[in-house]
Amino acid sequence: DGGITQSPKYLFRKEGQNVTLSCEQNLNHDAMYWYRQDPGQGLRLIYYSQIVNDFQKGDIAEGYSVSREKKESFPLTVTSAQKNPTAFYLCASSTGLANTGELFFGEGSRLTVL
Amino acid sequence: DAKTTQPNSMESNEEEPVHLPCNHSTISGTDYIHWYRQLPSQGPEYVIHGLTSNVNNRMASLAIAEDRKSSTLILHRATLRDAAVYYCILRDLKTSYDKVIFGPGTSLSVIP
Repeated sequence: DGGITQSPKYLFRKEGQNVTLSCEQNLNHDAMYWYRQDPGQGLRLIYYSQIVNDFQKGDIAEGYSVSREKKESFPLTVTSAQKNPTAFYLCASSTGLANTGELFFGEGSRLTVL
Repeated sequence: DAKTTQPNSMESNEEEPVHLPCNHSTISGTDYIHWYRQLPSQGPEYVIHGLTSNVNNRMASLAIAEDRKSSTLILHRATLRDAAVYYCILRDLKTSYDKVIFGPGTSLSVIP
C-alpha cells in the first residue's frame, strides 16, 4: 500500500548525540515536510523540500539538518546543537500543484533525551 | 505565524452537530482552505478542503464565507471517535515552495 513511513517510532538519546529520523514515502510526491510537536501544542515546521536536492528552512530549523538525495526519502538529523530536542516529530508529503495539495503524515517518531 | 485563527477548545454532545470555525482574514485568491484532524499520538489526517464553494464528503462538510475570510467545518453527528484536535490551514498551490504552517488548532471534546 502507498504511504509514508517514519522510523523509529520511539528513540532515546543521550545529551550531546546526533540522531537521524527516517522518513520514506512511496506516493511519488514531490514535496516533503518535517514538523515538531510538543505536548499540547500544534505543529511547528522545521524543514521542507519541494524537489530533490533542494530544501528550505522552516520556522524552527536551528539544531536540525536534512537531506533530499532521493525523491522518496527525507531524513531529519537532530544535532547536539538542538537545546531541547525531546518532542514528537512528524513527517509529511504532499501532492503538487496539479492536485489537491493534500498532506499525508507518517505516524511520527517520539524522541526522548535522557 | 499561522495564517489562520481558531478557538483553542470546543465541546459537543455525542450525536449532535458540531461547527468548528476558522478565521483567515488575510487569505489570498490562490489559497485553498484545508482541514486536518489529529488523534492523540498520531499524525494528522486530511478531512476536507475547498477554494470558494461549500464542499461535502463522507467525513464532514466545509462551509466557506462569501468573502473567504472565514470557514466552518461541520461534523453532522459527533461521535466519540471525533474527539481530536482540528487544524485549519491555507495552502497556496500556485507557488513553487509552499511553506505549510499549522496553528494550535481546536481541541474538540465529545461528551457521551
